[in-house]
Amino acid sequence: QSVLTQAPSASGTPGQRVIISCSGSSSNIEWNDVYWYQQLPGTAPKVLIYRNKWRPPGVPDRFSGSKSGTSASLAISGLRSEDEAVYYCAVWDDSLSGRVFGGGTKLTVL
Amino acid sequence: EVQLVESGGGSVQPGGSLRLSCAASGFTFSDHYMDWVRQAPGKGLEWVGRIRNKVNSHSTEYAASVKGRFTISRDDSKNSLYLQMDGLKTEDSAVYYCVSGIVGDFDYWGQGTLVTVSS
Repeated sequence: QSVLTQAPSASGTPGQRVIISCSGSSSNIEWNDVYWYQQLPGTAPKVLIYRNKWRPPGVPDRFSGSKSGTSASLAISGLRSEDEAVYYCAVWDDSLSGRVFGGGTKLTVL
Repeated sequence: EVQLVESGGGSVQPGGSLRLSCAASGFTFSDHYMDWVRQAPGKGLEWVGRIRNKVNSHSTEYAASVKGRFTISRDDSKNSLYLQMDGLKTEDSAVYYCVSGIVGDFDYWGQGTLVTVSS
């Protein structure tokens, strides 16, 4: 059972907007920065969103992040087939003194 | 360009030991904390532990699942990070990733090295 809760799966059709949620607590998301990672099959995770809402160079602006209270969200608009991947949220947990990851959401583009 | 290259993975019997290494380049290694993160086959990501920089006394933190069995160390003169794994269990089988601290704005990941614990 992950400290951060993510739905195990999500889906959408090309062009649609999909939102992936990450639910945490006051010891992690509420007071610390959330990061989102995209993991394509057979590859290492790649940073998609850092410090809650910022995109690294090269990440399309179709990807956006937000945070409110003890939850964070990743929105993907204009869904494309190459967005099929597993998405993880991550944040430092002050109570555990460790970094915690969500269980991952597998996104399928129908 | 930040690069992290892990090595040292392989097969080991339960109860055995293995030492992973991570060679870092493209950033001032000594300035940053470093993490190990693992991923069991078909599973999600699990943080293993962290070693901080010299300013923070190279202090370490570990996940409960590995505390007392795994030791993270670093050699800033060699830009290298290590993970000593003792008392290995079958559930430690995973791809182990070396992850940088925040360099600029975000962290960087190596390509991973596979550890298989099996009799």
